[in-house]
Amino acid sequence: GAGVSQSPSNKVTEKGKDVELRCDPISGHTALYWYRQSLGQGLEFLIYFQGNSAPDKSGLPSDRFSAERTGGSVSTLTIQRTQQEDSAVYLCASSDFSGAYNEQFFGPGTRLTVL
Amino acid sequence: LAKTTQPISMDSYEGQEVNITCSHNNIATNDYITWYQQFPSQGPRFIIQGYKTKVTNEVASLFIPADRKSSTLSLPRVSLSDTAVYYCLVGPPLSGGYNKLIFGAGTRLAVHP
Repeated sequence: GAGVSQSPSNKVTEKGKDVELRCDPISGHTALYWYRQSLGQGLEFLIYFQGNSAPDKSGLPSDRFSAERTGGSVSTLTIQRTQQEDSAVYLCASSDFSGAYNEQFFGPGTRLTVL
Repeated sequence: LAKTTQPISMDSYEGQEVNITCSHNNIATNDYITWYQQFPSQGPRFIIQGYKTKVTNEVASLFIPADRKSSTLSLPRVSLSDTAVYYCLVGPPLSGGYNKLIFGAGTRLAVHP
């Protein structure tokens, strides 16, 4: 079946512009996660959705970052007034808690470059 | 949340067995130990999970001693395609449900011909 998809795959923007990153989770997965991965680093948790609500936003680095999820499916991560330190790969994952391992399924990521 | 420590990098050759050890001294009694693999330009993918003793699947084996303060991922007869970053994580909880995965820097495995 279809996995997690993300768009765009690459985004280049200028400092100060707003960007929107999209995640389409696996159909039926109620949990959705956003992570950020800087070059050569591990993943940094940003936010978790259960359905359309976000019980854990503890990883959002500043109020320039926001995310929403609609219809229990697609999620959008918005970064306002982008800064160069926002450059990273943004990864989305989904899970349904019913699998034997409760694993997260990751998308390919969106590579964001802020000039 | 329990912190994990694993080697930054390892080198191996095709056909050899690779063992990557991870320490997690503060692991909670209700947490699994999970390993993910990440290829360049891809998201991580689940490879194996265990709670105690030994777990084996078609990809790898996971050895967990009785005190659960460490775990060892074993990759039998590696090939060039096993070149990737391997992450050791504490979690998810045995009870299931939400789990915030804390990824360390991982171990960068390079397999040479």
